[in-house]
Amino acid sequence: EADIYQTPRYLVIGTGKKITLECSQTMGHDKMYWYQQDPGMELHLIHYSYGVNSTEKGDLSSESTVSRIRTEHFPLTLESARPSHTSQYLCASMNRGDGYTFGSGTRLTVV
Amino acid sequence: GESVGLHLPTLSVQEGDNSIINCAYSNSASDYFIWYKQESGKGPQFIIDIRSNMDKRQGQRVTVLLNKTVKHLSLQIAATQPGDSAVYFCAENIAAAGNKLTFGGGTRVLVKP
Repeated sequence: EADIYQTPRYLVIGTGKKITLECSQTMGHDKMYWYQQDPGMELHLIHYSYGVNSTEKGDLSSESTVSRIRTEHFPLTLESARPSHTSQYLCASMNRGDGYTFGSGTRLTVV
Repeated sequence: GESVGLHLPTLSVQEGDNSIINCAYSNSASDYFIWYKQESGKGPQFIIDIRSNMDKRQGQRVTVLLNKTVKHLSLQIAATQPGDSAVYFCAENIAAAGNKLTFGGGTRVLVKP
């Protein structure tokens, strides 16, 4: 049973709207990550955090922003959604050097 | 933006046969490798991992082989079952670079009954 939760699972929203994708984990992991994935394609890191008040941009440039005010919470925000933001967004957390635990993802469609 | 995964390699295997999925990685400094399984509409699920000081690791019905000389990783699934149908990704990690996993392109496994 996954201990990392993403909401919403699916979101269809109009161009120009501000959205926040939620990610929470109950495992007390310090490291958290956001990946973007187009259907059937590889995952690309867009943001990561090593702990509270720590955020870094990933390898793939993204217009989104993140915050880490609490250990368990790592929300991702798009100030003005565009159709090019349509994708799946996956959140993950990691404890020390072990593998990631992924959430189920949010599939975003911007119309 | 969104695109269809037309370029995703597909492995079609008969139920009960063994499957072998291959992955080439790029960074010789990678020290930890993971195989993930991703079913439709779900996030990646951990299958098995291996550290760079090993060349083989076995789990339940799965074996991972690591060849550092040619930077190659493989996942073997024994007695493939319909529930094994999914997309499989390998990922490499460099602890010194901050434990950020880099994913390779996936392989779709289709199990025929």
